[in-house]
Amino acid sequence: QQPVQSPQAVILREGEDAVINCSSSKALYSVHWYRQKHGEAPVFLMILLKGGEQKGHDKISASFNEKKQQSSLYLTASQLSYSGTYFCGTASYNQGGKLIFGQGTELSVKP
Amino acid sequence: DAGVTQSPTHLIKTRGQQVTLRCSPKSGHDTVSWYQQALGQGPQFIFQYYEEEERQRGNFPDRFSGHQFPNYSSELNVNALLLGDSALYLCASSSGLFYEQYFGPGTRLTVT
Repeated sequence: QQPVQSPQAVILREGEDAVINCSSSKALYSVHWYRQKHGEAPVFLMILLKGGEQKGHDKISASFNEKKQQSSLYLTASQLSYSGTYFCGTASYNQGGKLIFGQGTELSVKP
Repeated sequence: DAGVTQSPTHLIKTRGQQVTLRCSPKSGHDTVSWYQQALGQGPQFIFQYYEEEERQRGNFPDRFSGHQFPNYSSELNVNALLLGDSALYLCASSSGLFYEQYFGPGTRLTVT
């Protein structure tokens, strides 16, 4: 089942903060976050694994609530370069690296 | 450090034809996953290869097949192309089955 992302779209002024949420109905092993700009490939931002291990870019932070199967991506002091579509991809137990992606959250940062 | 590479960049095929797309993983990676991305949607998982075997498969028909070579590179083959196969095909590589995946630039396939 496809994870659900919220909000679907958000508009920010440069310097503002945003939170993007990802929720799954399945027991998850990991949550992966990507940003995709128009006409480009998705770029890896963060991976969060069951048990607390996480890896990603220094300026990006995220959380993973294993009990609720929810993850949130925190974008602070947004920059124009943060604009794009953010996808969460989830992997369940016994599914290896089979990532199921959400429908995306479109983020637009204005000067 | 070379990232994930894919070829060709763009491809135009006729309905009913067959196509082969190629992917070379990031240096040090041994696992390759393939995704199909339609316009305005998230990537959809096709399959994943590790140790030259298909390890996981998404909800795609048998017309979609793949292969992984000893040097970890991979091919995606699609037979009997349909108009609905038009999409961006993304390859992603990782170090093992469970860890972060890095995407290549994709191959834009148009079926006419």
